[in-house]
Amino acid sequence: GAVVSQHPSRVICKSGTSVKIECRSLDFQATTMFWYRQFPKKSLMLMATSNEGSKATYEQGVEKDKFLINHASLTLSTLTVTSAHPEDSSFYICSPSEHVGTEAFFGQGTRLTVV
Amino acid sequence: DAKTTQPPSMDCAEGRAANLPCNHSTISGNEYVYWYRQIHSQGPQYIIHGLKNNETNEMASLIITEDRKSSTLILPHATLRDTAVYYCIVKANAGKSTFGDGTTLTVKP
Repeated sequence: GAVVSQHPSRVICKSGTSVKIECRSLDFQATTMFWYRQFPKKSLMLMATSNEGSKATYEQGVEKDKFLINHASLTLSTLTVTSAHPEDSSFYICSPSEHVGTEAFFGQGTRLTVV
Repeated sequence: DAKTTQPPSMDCAEGRAANLPCNHSTISGNEYVYWYRQIHSQGPQYIIHGLKNNETNEMASLIITEDRKSSTLILPHATLRDTAVYYCIVKANAGKSTFGDGTTLTVKP
């Protein structure tokens, strides 16, 4: 299967700081990137969808100014959690997709803890 | 995207076949059935997908009913490492994946 690299796997940050999460598709071009988050004992919830070179589309209830998504190339997308607060502590997962792909691949996830 | 319904939990004895059902009665003609699993604290792992024919790969088999309103994922010889949450998702090709609560499969020795 395709290789997706997501970094960092774990991060602890202080309240009020920003954290950047990177997602790379190593052997295919991701024209679309999906970002999910998952709270403990809950399912994955889609946060936003981005297409390379375009602004991201955010799901209802997700603040676009707080969760900045950059998808400047076909192999790299970043999610920046700005001014993080303890309620932003969660498991964040990226999922790059090819335009004509038949399956979705997922990153390993990033466990964010805001203290 | 169509909604799916899965049992919240199932147990299976090690070495036996695990049969995980999924109902997707509102599936559209262009939507595929995908199965993923998630082991604790990891990203979801793709297992298999299909449109209307049954599919088999090295991990599992997917049986889709003729009316496409339900499907079953079969792990032929479950091992302890197959303990995970299994998600059945229906989506158009390359579309977003909408996750339900999945089935927590526990494989017991």
